[in-house]
Amino acid sequence: DVKVTQSSRYLVKRTGEKVFLECVQDMDHENMFWYRQDPGLGLRLIYFSYDVKMKEKGDIPEGYSVSREKKERFSLILESASTNQTSMYLCASSPRYSPLHFGNGTRLTVT
Amino acid sequence: SQQGEEDPQALSIQEGENATMNCSYKTSINNLQWYRQNSGRGLVHLILIRSNEREKHSGRLRVTLDTSKKSSSLLITASRAADTASYFCATVASGGSYIPTFGRGTSLIVHP
Repeated sequence: DVKVTQSSRYLVKRTGEKVFLECVQDMDHENMFWYRQDPGLGLRLIYFSYDVKMKEKGDIPEGYSVSREKKERFSLILESASTNQTSMYLCASSPRYSPLHFGNGTRLTVT
Repeated sequence: SQQGEEDPQALSIQEGENATMNCSYKTSINNLQWYRQNSGRGLVHLILIRSNEREKHSGRLRVTLDTSKKSSSLLITASRAADTASYFCATVASGGSYIPTFGRGTSLIVHP
């Protein structure tokens, strides 16, 4: 079974802090994704990566950056956390041209 | 940008009844995928239907696709309390990147 592991289930951070959300997959998938999920808005794509060191902006990249130094790991970085970044963050991976495998999410609260 | 839009937003039924959820989208697609999300968890892929397919089955799930109407439906037959979850459709546009775009989801509650 594919496993996508997000490092934290819950995080509480202060406004202005730099926040790292880590995601690791164990199936050698080429693609990795970061989505955020908010009530009434569904899932919105922040960034995705189709190879090591490659990244592409999604629909809402502002305020975020990403890093993919190794194939199995895709990190989401909030450079200076703000309260409007309070959300559920979902990481996913997939082989090329295949459906996604999701982690269990990180619920981030910025106070 | 939200490509697929599910309808209804919420559905409440009794165990044993069938549940039907619909998804409408705007542009040409390569395929359409349905996912399920239990409360507080990640999404799990259920079924994928390609643009040249009209119907697919998987256990108690039946998915139809009508590309002329740009719509899909997910039918869960003989529902169980354990089917309580949110269901999302995701579309992959034809041409370009293989990036699923998700709708807002349908929240299904199955009462025992």
